[in-house]
Amino acid sequence: DAGVTQSPTHLIKTRGQHVTLRCSPISGHKSVSWYQQVLGQGPQFIFQYYEKEERGRGNFPDRFSARQFPNYSSELNVNALLLGDSALYLCASAPGFTDTQYFGPGTRLTVL
Amino acid sequence: EDKVVQSPLSLVVHEGDTVTLNCSYEVTNFRSLLWYKQEKKAPTFLFMLTSSGIEKKSGRLSSILDKKELFSILNITATQTGDSAVYLCAVAYSGAGSYQLTFGKGTKLSVIP
Repeated sequence: DAGVTQSPTHLIKTRGQHVTLRCSPISGHKSVSWYQQVLGQGPQFIFQYYEKEERGRGNFPDRFSARQFPNYSSELNVNALLLGDSALYLCASAPGFTDTQYFGPGTRLTVL
Repeated sequence: EDKVVQSPLSLVVHEGDTVTLNCSYEVTNFRSLLWYKQEKKAPTFLFMLTSSGIEKKSGRLSSILDKKELFSILNITATQTGDSAVYLCAVAYSGAGSYQLTFGKGTKLSVIP
């Protein structure tokens, strides 16, 4: 079975631009969560979506937004990029709201 | 503030050694504790622990949770070079309709031949 997939793999942007990251969950999984991981740190929770509704939001500014589509795939959008947004963005899916989360390979975002 | 603290932050051992990784936590509305292994990018799931004192095992890896003392340990016996990775501890908690994981900084394990 295919695991969680994310696109693109790498991305380079400049300050002030916006970016859209995409995630396809494991087939049958209805929950998608997004995490930001900066070098040397553990992943930090950004959003959780379950059944297309936002169910949780971490301590991130409003420049970060996300949505989940009817097929349970998800997008993370970041506006007005800052240098500090450079990180690995991880998507995780789970069958249900409180089930074990399985991670994708991530998107490496570099902001110059 | 909810937090998860892992120790040590890094560890170098020789093949065949046994290692113990530690994770302590302070969160409200605790649901479970999870261990992940991160080699390049994607953290891969190892264990999910919800009950105190019940050891979970998978091959050479095992883990146990103490909900009274608020910590967990991950043991790896007979280490191999393929065990070299960052091991992440995460605590799942819920509140106000949300469910999220809070991660520690990870323990970087290096196994040398």
